Amino acid sequence: AQTVTQSQPEMSVQEAETVTLSCTYDTSESDYYLFWYKQPPSRQMILVIRQEAYKQQNATENRFSVNFQKAAKSFSLKISDSQLGDAAMYFCAYGLIQGAQKLVFGQGTRLTINP
Amino acid sequence: GAGVSQSPSNKVTEKGKDVELRCDPISGHTALYWYRQSLGQGLEFLIYFQGNSAPDKSGLPSDRFSAERTGGSVSTLTIQRTQQEDSAVYLCASSLGPQDTQYFGPGTRLTVL
Repeated sequence: AQTVTQSQPEMSVQEAETVTLSCTYDTSESDYYLFWYKQPPSRQMILVIRQEAYKQQNATENRFSVNFQKAAKSFSLKISDSQLGDAAMYFCAYGLIQGAQKLVFGQGTRLTINP
Repeated sequence: GAGVSQSPSNKVTEKGKDVELRCDPISGHTALYWYRQSLGQGLEFLIYFQGNSAPDKSGLPSDRFSAERTGGSVSTLTIQRTQQEDSAVYLCASSLGPQDTQYFGPGTRLTVL
């Protein structure tokens, strides 16, 4: 079975600085998807970034980028120029590349942005 | 366009009662997922619907839980004889197809007294 681990229950960063959230996972599959989702107090999960395991290039979305290390099964999220609106719970998730994408989530990291 | 909607937003019930939670997916999305978010278990998959195929119920925690999806659109998650451990936020997500990005609704917070 696949597992996802986020070892940082809480993180904080000063506004405009950079922060990195950690995620490791375990799978016997060679192809899969990895995701970072953001959950603000409104509860609605919002996709931040998606990475396909067969792509070596790290995904980026504006201020958000990942460091995907397939051999180490590591998938960290870097947020540059942190903004107050980035404050939320962040979840790392794993999904199969065939069939239903029944996401497996980590326990989450609560990110606080200090003004 | 409209996103995924869920109702009710919050539900308080007494132990032993049945509850129904509703999900309206994005129009045209063929895949629909239910997840549960609880303090003890984190986020976990419950059930998956794809088009007119039989649902994947592999994540349902007990036979008190059931779900249906009528006409390939609206879905209802039913919990019978609720227990205190059922207290959680129930999230629904839909996607265009099984491998496409999942869009989540705001969830229903269920509290069982």
